[in-house]
Amino acid sequence: DAGVTQSPTHLIKTRGQQVTLRCSPKSGHDTVSWYQQALGQGPQFIFQYYEEEERQRGNFPDRFSGHQFPNYSSELNVNALLLGDSALYLCASSLLTGYTFGSGTRLTVV
Amino acid sequence: KQEVTQIPAALSVPEGENLVLNCSFTDSAIYNLQWFRQDPGKGLTSLLLIQSSQREQTSGRLNASLDKSSGRSTLYIAASQPGDSATYLCAVGDNQGGKLIFGQGTELSVKP
Repeated sequence: DAGVTQSPTHLIKTRGQQVTLRCSPKSGHDTVSWYQQALGQGPQFIFQYYEEEERQRGNFPDRFSGHQFPNYSSELNVNALLLGDSALYLCASSLLTGYTFGSGTRLTVV
Repeated sequence: KQEVTQIPAALSVPEGENLVLNCSFTDSAIYNLQWFRQDPGKGLTSLLLIQSSQREQTSGRLNASLDKSSGRSTLYIAASQPGDSATYLCAVGDNQGGKLIFGQGTELSVKP
């Protein structure tokens, strides 16, 4: 049974560019959440998608947006990249309770 | 606003030692609490999930306790091994299926 799959694993972008990260949830999971983890810090909640709608959002600017598809997979989009957006981006899927995390996408903004 | 704190930030122990990692949270109205392990540069692996109605959960050499009234959870690791070296994160769930609020983690090093 495949767990949560994220792509790409690593990404380097230039300030001002836009980036899209992808996540396929664990089989049977219908909810996808995204987290940002800066080096040496705990993950910070970005937003959560359920039934293709944003259900909950953390304290992140509108430059961060997302989407969930009918097959429950999800995308995280970040516009106008800043150096401070460099982080590990984690996707987590769940069904009711208990989370399964992917291995993350390491984004470096130069 | 819920805040989660983990103490200590880093811990180094000799192999075979029993150890306790601490997690505290400011708002006792939690739905559940989850402990994760993170290897360097990797994603999170779930270790134990405790529902708000439970007091503890056990898996192998790991035991996690939850005291909602005092806003505390502990992760007990018995007979530590070098392979246990990683960062351990606790996270509080604010409602069913809702967001997780993480502590900053405890970096554990187990020396052979």
